[in-house]
Amino acid sequence: AQKVTQAQTEISVVEKEDVTLDCVYETRDTTYYLFWYKQPPSGELVFLIRRNSFDEQNEISGRYSWNFQKSTSSFNFTITASQVVDSAVYFCALTDTGFQKLVFGTGTRLLVSP
Amino acid sequence: GAVVSQHPSWVICKSGTSVKIECRSLDFQATTMFWYRQFPKQSLMLMATSNEGSKATYEQGVEKDKFLINHASLTLSTLTVTSAHPEDSSFYICSAPRVGGTDTQYFGPGTRLTVL
Repeated sequence: AQKVTQAQTEISVVEKEDVTLDCVYETRDTTYYLFWYKQPPSGELVFLIRRNSFDEQNEISGRYSWNFQKSTSSFNFTITASQVVDSAVYFCALTDTGFQKLVFGTGTRLLVSP
Repeated sequence: GAVVSQHPSWVICKSGTSVKIECRSLDFQATTMFWYRQFPKQSLMLMATSNEGSKATYEQGVEKDKFLINHASLTLSTLTVTSAHPEDSSFYICSAPRVGGTDTQYFGPGTRLTVL
């Protein structure tokens, strides 16, 4: 069975600090996809990134970066120079293909204070 | 880009009534859509897979007679909460995978249901 663990329930930082959100996953599939979503207070899920199991290259998008390590089954997310607008709940998710149901982690609530 | 809409965005109803929630893919066709439920400060849990032209597939523990799903067209899936009770109050979110291009899933904005 697939499982996603986000051990950090809540993280509080001060603006401009860097913060890393951890995600550890379990799957028996050799082909799978990992996702990160942001859920602001409005509730709507915002897609951040999708990574397939064959692509271990780290990715950077502006202040966001992702570190995918198959050896440790982790897909961590770092926000550099955090901003108040980054305050939200962040979910890591896993699926066996890009089109099927997602298994979500329990989410990490990030609070960025001015 | 692709957009998935949900209607209504929020609904308040009395206990015992039924509520229908619509999920639409606006610029692509989706033979499959997914319905999730999210209780306050909890994660999203898959309720069922909606299949166009056939019966929905429900996750273990989800009552199919209580949560009726209809996927009548390639762009519309509906979730009807029948005889709603306060414990059904939750945030309901649908998603639709878009095959080809970015090959990813798009989520609707969610529907907040409050049952009094």
